[in-house]
Amino acid sequence: DSGVTQTPKHLITATGQRVTLRCSPRSGDLSVYWYQQSLDQGLQFLIQYYNGEERAKGNILERFSAQQFPDLHSELNLSSLELGDSALYFCASSPLDPGPHEQYFGPGTRLTVT
Amino acid sequence: AQSVAQPEDQVNVAEGNPLTVKCTYSVSGNPYLFWYVQYPNRGLQFLLKYITGDNLVKGSYGFEAEFNKSQTSFHLKKPSALVSDSALYFCAVRAPDSNYQLIWGAGTKLIIKP
Repeated sequence: DSGVTQTPKHLITATGQRVTLRCSPRSGDLSVYWYQQSLDQGLQFLIQYYNGEERAKGNILERFSAQQFPDLHSELNLSSLELGDSALYFCASSPLDPGPHEQYFGPGTRLTVT
Repeated sequence: AQSVAQPEDQVNVAEGNPLTVKCTYSVSGNPYLFWYVQYPNRGLQFLLKYITGDNLVKGSYGFEAEFNKSQTSFHLKKPSALVSDSALYFCAVRAPDSNYQLIWGAGTKLIIKP
């Protein structure tokens, strides 16, 4: 158990809908990362937050947004969902930045868009 | 452009034999290097990392990795493979002057046959 929790584990929704994925980092970790893992594109970095502020952006679509709250949990919002958004979404956390810290991953949320 | 390559989509090894999963990188400066493992339907787990110092790094589950600066490689190794080592392995690199993002390889599926 990495100490990172994600809810829900599974989510099935229809195209055009909006969903929110939630992540709680390990105790004491200030950085939260969001990744998308699909069969044909591997692991894609979406966005990073550090202590409530956006730190880095990757291949995140404009339909997607995220935030990190004062208690350090984070939410990833996906809107106007398309079939191609079906994937595993992982959250990871790490301690203070900068530093060569490893990331600790949650179990993921499997999103299926029908 | 900075990149990480895992040249083999799949590696097959007989149980008890040594295994190697390859990783090469193209990153400016002296990078931080990581290996992660993903078991089916699970999140990624940190195995080991190289920051500086001894080129041979030891990690979890009996794995080790060898950093070779001249060949820009960071191959994952284990002297004697177990069936339970069968999983997806990811190499990741972070440039020290980066915006803290990890650059991920595409992953290598390791299959250990009894």
